[in-house]
Amino acid sequence: DAGVIQSPRHEVTEMGQEVTLRCKPISGHDYLFWYRQTMMRGLELLIYFNNNVPIDDSGMPEDRFSAKMPNASFSTLKIQPSEPRDSAVYFCASSLVVGNTGELFFGEGSRLTVL
Amino acid sequence: AQSVAQPEDQVNVAEGNPLTVKCTYSVSGNPYLFWYVQYPNRGLQFLLKYITGDNLVKGSYGFEAEFNKSQTSFHLKKPSALVSDSALYFCAVGFNDYKLSFGAGTTVTVRA
Repeated sequence: DAGVIQSPRHEVTEMGQEVTLRCKPISGHDYLFWYRQTMMRGLELLIYFNNNVPIDDSGMPEDRFSAKMPNASFSTLKIQPSEPRDSAVYFCASSLVVGNTGELFFGEGSRLTVL
Repeated sequence: AQSVAQPEDQVNVAEGNPLTVKCTYSVSGNPYLFWYVQYPNRGLQFLLKYITGDNLVKGSYGFEAEFNKSQTSFHLKKPSALVSDSALYFCAVGFNDYKLSFGAGTTVTVRA
């Protein structure tokens, strides 16, 4: 398997623009997670899905952020409108339900810079 | 609430020397504990986990960690560090809801 695939790897945009980050989880994994990594705040869980259904979105910063998982092989994280403070590396991770081990498989991340 | 602390921002060791990266946790019940490693410009990679059973857990790349319930610690260790072990290491604690809480990370530098 190719692992968790994220796109784009790098995105530079201007404040106010819409940003869409994409993720393809590992085939067969039941859980999908979106994390944000910054120097100041470390790794933050934004939202996670189980069987394509959002379970906990309490980490989503505000209404400008939204995430969808229309099917088992695709998820998006959208920021509209984007702001400079959204600059971060966004990671997608997936997990397989095997005895509740919780091991996460991370993608390479999408580095977002909002000017 | 569950949380994990990594008291050291940086750890520096010479190649061939033992490496220890510290982690303490605060969670009620029986936690799941993990270590992940992140190389520059890459995603996190799973190293090892403690769920239940033997307190000494062996993982990838020669790493191991010891679960100590009385001290609420889960320190990562490697008997002989390599230059290639230089990376950012994260401890994480979870429960049975799949929500992992990550520590702030410890940067390990192994000098030749």
